[in-house]
Amino acid sequence: QSVLTQPPSMSAAPGQKVTISCSGSSSNIGTNYVSWYRQLPGTAPKLLIFDNNKRPSGIPDRFSASKSGPSATLDITGLQTGDEADYYCATWDSSLTAEIFGGGTRLTVL
Amino acid sequence: QLQLQESGPGLVKPSETLSLTCSVSGGSVSNSLYYWGWIRQPPGMGPEWIGSIYNTKSTYYSPSLKSRVTIFADTSENQFSLKLNSVTAADTAMYFCVLDSRSFSAFDIWGQGTMVTVSS
Repeated sequence: QSVLTQPPSMSAAPGQKVTISCSGSSSNIGTNYVSWYRQLPGTAPKLLIFDNNKRPSGIPDRFSASKSGPSATLDITGLQTGDEADYYCATWDSSLTAEIFGGGTRLTVL
Repeated sequence: QLQLQESGPGLVKPSETLSLTCSVSGGSVSNSLYYWGWIRQPPGMGPEWIGSIYNTKSTYYSPSLKSRVTIFADTSENQFSLKLNSVTAADTAMYFCVLDSRSFSAFDIWGQGTMVTVSS
């Protein structure tokens, strides 16, 4: 069981908005930067968000994120069928001294 | 554009050593700003960070794997490698080499991954 808790699955219709949560603690999200990754089936994870809310070049502004205390959220607006994927949050845990990942959220766009 | 490519055996016997190499193109493993790392993902599960190397020799590892892991860089070949000792079936996973180009931030470049199965 992961130290970072994400809902295992979520679903929404095309064009809608979805918010994926990531719950941690003071030793990880509470004090360190959060990043978010998207993993399409059969491919490597891809960085969507770094340093809590920054997008790498090429990532559309449909993807945004925020952090508050020990929790973080990823918002995806204007959902497309191509957004169907697994989404992972990640951060450094100062107590474990390790980079940790959430259990992942499988997003279905129906 | 910087790219990473993993290579190594796809099948390792229990108790033996898993050895993988990541070839770097479009960038230098000697770049002092870059943190290079390994992440694995068992089938159907989330990613697990194994460890990272920076400044070609400084390393830090996941505490759960530290006793079995070594990561090292070969600047002449522009690559870095992973060795995981005494493997068991629990080490069966897709192994990715990764780059954090912003120095202890996030993994912005991933290799395509290589599947390693531990079985006799």
